[in-house]
Amino acid sequence: DVKVTQSSRYLVKRTGEKVFLECVQDMDHENMFWYRQDPGLGLRLIYFSYDVKMKEKGDIPEGYSVSREKKERFSLILESASTNQTSMYLCATHTGIGTDTQYFGPGTRLTVL
Amino acid sequence: DQQVKQNSPSLSVQEGRISILNCDYTNSMFDYFLWYKKYPAEGPTFLISISSIKDKNEDGRFTVFLNKSAKHLSLHIVPSQPGDSAVYFCAASTNYGGSQGNLIFGKGTKLSVKP
Repeated sequence: DVKVTQSSRYLVKRTGEKVFLECVQDMDHENMFWYRQDPGLGLRLIYFSYDVKMKEKGDIPEGYSVSREKKERFSLILESASTNQTSMYLCATHTGIGTDTQYFGPGTRLTVL
Repeated sequence: DQQVKQNSPSLSVQEGRISILNCDYTNSMFDYFLWYKKYPAEGPTFLISISSIKDKNEDGRFTVFLNKSAKHLSLHIVPSQPGDSAVYFCAASTNYGGSQGNLIFGKGTKLSVKP
């Protein structure tokens, strides 16, 4: 079974703090994705990565950056957290071969005060 | 502009009856479609998929129908069970079998199955 873990299930931070969200997968998948989910807006893609040290902007990259130093780990960074970044953050992986199914982690509910 | 649309934010169905969730898309290049199910405070889980060369795919109680001419797909759940209560996301891809794996998601439909 694919296992995708995220560093925290719930996180509370203050405005202006630097926030790190980590995602780790154990299936040697090539591709990794970060989304945020907000009521009525569905899943919106923030950043994705097809390979180590590679990153691509998604639909809403502003205010975020990412890091992929190792294949199994994909980090999302909020350089200076703001209240409008309060959301559910979801990491996903994809094999890079064959099926287009993405596998999701459990999510991190981030609240920025 | 939304490429994948789920026009019903919510749906309520009686246990044992059929649930029909709908999804429309605008990009004729989409060649693979997926449905995900999401419970609160959990990540989405893959439910069922269909490629554009088919018009139906069935897996137990779940069936997905694809109407390419109408750019419409639907998920049927028969019979519906209370445990099916969740948010359902429709997703589409333009590179079935390819290496990128990018998906375009709809906004979701919240299904409530009442006992």
